[in-house]
Amino acid sequence: SQQGEEDPQALSIQEGENATMNCSYKTSINNLQWYRQNSGRGLVHLILIRSNEREKHSGRLRVTLDTSKKSSSLLITASRAADTASYFCATGGVTGGGNKLTFGTGTQLKVEL
Amino acid sequence: EAGVAQSPRYKIIEKRQSVAFWCNPISGHATLYWYQQILGQGPKLLIQFQNNGVVDDSQLPKDRFSAERLKGVDSTLKIQPAKLEDSAVYLCASSRRGAGNTIYFGEGSWLTVV
Repeated sequence: SQQGEEDPQALSIQEGENATMNCSYKTSINNLQWYRQNSGRGLVHLILIRSNEREKHSGRLRVTLDTSKKSSSLLITASRAADTASYFCATGGVTGGGNKLTFGTGTQLKVEL
Repeated sequence: EAGVAQSPRYKIIEKRQSVAFWCNPISGHATLYWYQQILGQGPKLLIQFQNNGVVDDSQLPKDRFSAERLKGVDSTLKIQPAKLEDSAVYLCASSRRGAGNTIYFGEGSWLTVV
């Protein structure tokens, strides 16, 4: 079953603009991770934020986490055409000493020149 | 370091036939996962291994799907017999042992059942 719900399902912006994607989830988590998937390719890990963190940055990416609202957001600043992809949030729980990720439904981002 | 390797990349089979996918995780990663991603949806966990033991296979359709990870390294996922609804991308991933570690994905094996 899907844990997270991304919003919006699809987003189209102009190059140079910022893109914001939101993720809501239902159960308690250990961490939340964001992944990118280009058409026909595998998933590329972008950033991991732990449940005791509120904000994290990596290059042009900024992720926030609000555990009280069970939500997270991914901000991509100064977007580029190469950022066109599907973006997934995945919540991490703890299963038998390993990490288990439950993915959301994804946001399709299109960055136009 | 080398990434997660999967093969074959693409496979087309007829329904009721069988198919097997192979995965080689990143060296040193104790945890290995198989996910199924149907077009337009997020990946769904099928099975998770810790070394060569199964941690979670609650969403694996055991009447037709099987997976093994002999010697705690490579893994194979088999579907027999295949159904039309099994058409999907099968993603293998791996991570270091323990919660909160990044999970790295392979490029996926694309299955079309006709």
